[in-house]
Amino acid sequence: DTEVTQTPKHLVMGMTNKKSLKCEQHMGHRAMYWYKQKAKKPPELMFVYSYEKLSINESVPSRFSPECPNSSLLNLHLHALQPEDSALYLCASSRYGATNEKLFFGSGTQLSVL
Amino acid sequence: GQQVMQIPQYQHVQEGEDFTTYCNSSTTLSNIQWYKQRPGGHPVFLIQLVKSGEVKKQKRLTFQFGEAKKNSSLHITATQTTDVGTYFCAGISGNTPLVFGKGTRLSVIA
Repeated sequence: DTEVTQTPKHLVMGMTNKKSLKCEQHMGHRAMYWYKQKAKKPPELMFVYSYEKLSINESVPSRFSPECPNSSLLNLHLHALQPEDSALYLCASSRYGATNEKLFFGSGTQLSVL
Repeated sequence: GQQVMQIPQYQHVQEGEDFTTYCNSSTTLSNIQWYKQRPGGHPVFLIQLVKSGEVKKQKRLTFQFGEAKKNSSLHITATQTTDVGTYFCAGISGNTPLVFGKGTRLSVIA
C-alpha cells in the first residue's frame, strides 16, 4: 500500500465552524506533513511531524491546529478560518523525515471557507 | 532564505514537440527533486538528483543537475497529451525543508 488517504475530498465551512481534516498512511512512514496549495501556486509547507512529534511549524496561524494521534494518522483541526484560507490542503508522508526523502502526497482536501 | 526560481511559468506545445523547464536556486543545493501534478491532482514524485552534473533519464524525460548544484532542468522529448500538468522542482539545502519552485504548467495541443 503506497497510498496516503485524505478525507474529506471537499469541505465547505463557515467562518465560525470547527472542522477537521484527516490523513492516513500505512507505509510505515514516520514523518507526516501538511501543505497548503492555492490555485496555480506551489505547495507551501505548514507543519511537519516526525516520530509523532511536531518538528516544524512554518509560522501557521493558531486557527490551524495539527494533531498526530499515532504514526499512521495526521489531523488538521480548523477553527474560525478566513475566506483567504480556502485552498487545497495536502497531506504527505516520508519514511523518516530526512530532508532528502521523497514525499508521498495524498489527493488533498479542497477547502472553501464562506 | 533559500529561493528556487523556475521558468517558464507556462508552456504550450504541439504534441510531438520537445519541452524544457529550468530551475535555479539562490544557494547551493544538496539535492533537487522533481514532481508532476496533473490538473486536479496531487504532486507525484518523479526523481531526485544528488550529484554535481548528474543526468538521469526516465523514458522520454531527461533530468540534469548543474555542476555548481544551483540549477536543474527537466527535458521532455516528443511530448504527448499524457505529459500535461505542472512540473515542480523542489530544492533541498542542508536540513531545511523542501522549497518548491513556482512550477511550469505544460499544455500539449493534440
